[in-house]
Amino acid sequence: AQSVAQPEDQVNVAEGNPLTVKCTYSVSGNPYLFWYVQYPNRGLQFLLKYITGDNLVKGSYGFEAEFNKSQTSFHLKKPSALVSDSALYFCAVRPRGSASKIIFGSGTRLSIRP
Amino acid sequence: KAGVTQTPRYLIKTRGQQVTLSCSPISGHRSVSWYQQTPGQGLQFLFEYFSETQRNKGNFPGRFSGRQFSNSRSEMNVSTLELGDSALYLCASSLTKNSDTGELFFGEGSRLTVL
Repeated sequence: AQSVAQPEDQVNVAEGNPLTVKCTYSVSGNPYLFWYVQYPNRGLQFLLKYITGDNLVKGSYGFEAEFNKSQTSFHLKKPSALVSDSALYFCAVRPRGSASKIIFGSGTRLSIRP
Repeated sequence: KAGVTQTPRYLIKTRGQQVTLSCSPISGHRSVSWYQQTPGQGLQFLFEYFSETQRNKGNFPGRFSGRQFSNSRSEMNVSTLELGDSALYLCASSLTKNSDTGELFFGEGSRLTVL
């Protein structure tokens, strides 16, 4: 079965330090990859996506993600964390194909301490 | 440009009742998807509509249904509510159908509590 795994329920980082939120997937072919962020009592907001090309994708709010095909991973990164980055982060995968639907990971809560 | 609008934002129902949730997509967006978000199950895909046609359906019982109107607005209905239906229901719109690489734009959700 196709799936997306976010192995960490929570990630704690000090402000100013680099952060990584992990995502691996089990989807056949070359899927499209996404990251979304959810702030309290809000819907999800798109951060970035990987379609093809350069393995390092840059997105909103200084976030970037690194695609690794051999490890089927798409980790979210930021060089210097801000307290305002504290939120729930979702990795998502959409298999290529006309009948595909997007599959979300379980989410990782990112907490940035001052 | 207005975002995705969901109504109502909060509602409380009792077991056995039914509920209808509404979603107005971003102007020009023709695809609408619905998701159920709960602490235990995360984000679960309910269904997707494009040009009034259901394109995809998740693994939910027949009590969950939806439709899309000619103006792309969508509604979802849950009949015979159960306690486990308590959740945040999120609607997302996108410009084209699900085969596109475009991102989803989410509303703020309708939080349903079933007592």
